[in-house]
Formats: sequence, structure tokens, C-alpha cells
Amino acid sequence: EIVLTQSPGTLSLSPGERATLSCRASQSVSNNYLAWHQQKPGQAPRLLIFGVSSRATGIPDRFSGSGSGTDFTLTISRLEPEDFAVYYCQQYDTSPPITFGQGTRLEIK
Amino acid sequence: QVQLVESGGGVVQPGRSLRLSCAASAFTFSNYGMHWVRQAPGKGLEWVAVISYGGDNEYYADSVKGRFTISRDNSKNTLYLQMNSLRAEDTAVYYCARPGVPFGYYYYMDVWGKGTTVTVSS
Repeated sequence: EIVLTQSPGTLSLSPGERATLSCRASQSVSNNYLAWHQQKPGQAPRLLIFGVSSRATGIPDRFSGSGSGTDFTLTISRLEPEDFAVYYCQQYDTSPPITFGQGTRLEIK
Repeated sequence: QVQLVESGGGVVQPGRSLRLSCAASAFTFSNYGMHWVRQAPGKGLEWVAVISYGGDNEYYADSVKGRFTISRDNSKNTLYLQMNSLRAEDTAVYYCARPGVPFGYYYYMDVWGKGTTVTVSS
């Protein structure tokens, strides 16, 4: 099973700033099978990024993904008020099981 | 638009059973494998189970194996999760989710339902 560890646990930033979220895998994630989801309080998750760097339909270009092997990053170039949420990485390389990171909470400073 | 709507959640005593349903619309349900994912109160996402598009392959998380059964009725565009021998640690919001690629199932989830809440308590 691939364990995903996200850091930091909580990130405090202001609107307009740049956010960098990390996801580290316990073993290499091949085929770029790494996704990112956003979840706001009381809502279902929403797919942001799949295949490490491909944006899902309707996702603004201020969201970008990068990385390879065991280290992956979600970057939000300029934070908008609606971007403050919890972010989860997900691997779908070696399955079962599909695994998620424990989440990074992005909060307003 | 593409939609998944879960139902069947509620409060149930430990050791009892519950069946969740997920109604799909606006896409060819029979072309997609389907997942259940859960989220305990204040916790992260945990994958629970997946079923292939034809229903002939199923896989489960170790935490539910032998107690939960995933199934589907493609004629009704509906996914199910039969949960037996429920435990307090099964308390969670249960989401059904569609993978982003048809005819496969080990992929990212690109469509999520709003979830249904299961509370296991005496």
C-alpha cells in the first residue's frame, strides 16, 4: 500500500499570496497516477488535478500540479477567497487500495 | 448534468446492517466502474470499495473486507453498499464517486455525490 504524507498540516496565508502544498509517497508513484481534490466544509470533494498536472474541467489556471516519483506539489499561484479549503492528494497507481493523503488545511491568515 | 445522489444513511446500532444506494444520472452508468469513499467526522478521506463497470470485479479496503459488499444494478443506474456487522468506527459520511476514465476503475474520482451520513451508535 502506498502511504501519502501531506505537508504542512495547516497553511495560513492571505488572499493574493502563493500557496505550495506537498504530497510525499512512501514508494514511487508510476505513470503519473496522482490527483488532487479540494474539499470545503460540508461539501463533497472536488477533483482539481489528475495525472500529476492535468487540470480537471472548469478548474482555473491558478491551480497547477507538478512532481514525479515520490514528491508532488500543488501550487495555487494567487489565492482567491474561495480557495481556502482542505486539499487531499490521491494515488491510483498501485491499487487496491486507492489511498489519500491526510489533507492540508489552507486557512486565511 | 452528471449527478450522483446517495441515500440510505441513518443511525444504526452496532452489529446491525444498513444498505446505501447511489443513483446516477446524465451519463452511461454501465460504462464506469464505481467507488465508495467515506469520511469519519473531522477526518480525511478513506477509500472503501470499488466495482467494475460490469459488476464482475470488486475490491475492498481491509477495514471493511468480509463485512461490506458493493454491488450495482445497471438497469437502474444504481450503485449499492451493503454494510453488515457495523461498528462505531464505521461512522462516517459515505460518498459514491465515479472514476475519470470509462471501462476502468483504479483512477482518480472525477464526480462525487454529496454523501449520506451513517452513524453507528447504541
